[in-house]
Amino acid sequence: DAGITQSPRYKITETGRQVTLMCHQTWSHSYMFWYRQDLGHGLRLIYYSAAADITDKGEVPDGYVVSRSKTENFPLTLESATRSQTSVYFCASSTGTIGELFFGEGSRLTVL
Amino acid sequence: QKEVEQNSGPLSVPEGAIASLNCTYSDRGSQSFFWYRQYSGKSPELIMSIYSNGDKEDGRFTAQLNKASQYVSLLIRDSQPSDSATYLCAVLDNAGNMLTFGGGTRLMVKP
Repeated sequence: DAGITQSPRYKITETGRQVTLMCHQTWSHSYMFWYRQDLGHGLRLIYYSAAADITDKGEVPDGYVVSRSKTENFPLTLESATRSQTSVYFCASSTGTIGELFFGEGSRLTVL
Repeated sequence: QKEVEQNSGPLSVPEGAIASLNCTYSDRGSQSFFWYRQYSGKSPELIMSIYSNGDKEDGRFTAQLNKASQYVSLLIRDSQPSDSATYLCAVLDNAGNMLTFGGGTRLMVKP
């Protein structure tokens, strides 16, 4: 039971580069989410998706792009990475009770 | 902006004691409340949800909700060193679309 997996787990990149974080879930959960976690800010919602081809902005969407062509995948792209996007990124999924989330292991991104 | 506030801690309790973790929220219309546990370097995991005023018990954990006071708490009875983690309070907005997390309270249970 793989559940929800994120890749890469660790990434170092440079300012201005494009980075894509992958998220894959095997449960066929309808809802998927991307959060970032920073000291002093806790977990903040970037984007979420209620189903394939349906996405919506969260609290901090600027500088990020998402897509969801298949139910099981929800990639997050930083089109031009900035140092302020250095963070730990968590993907999560839910069956429909949006508060009951299952999180992936996280992707630690460092932007130099 | 809807806010969820927690004392960052650390909250230190001796093994076997009751740990009390508190959370306040600003959105009076919120109806659903959750507690997540996050071990250092790991991802959050759901431990409790509560939707109605009062207490909800699950094993050693009790969640308490007071909507009038906009206050949620988590009690951990017979605290164990393995309970040492950061506990995140999360509140779902009235529209049921967005889950807002507090900054978390770090709990340390000393043997």
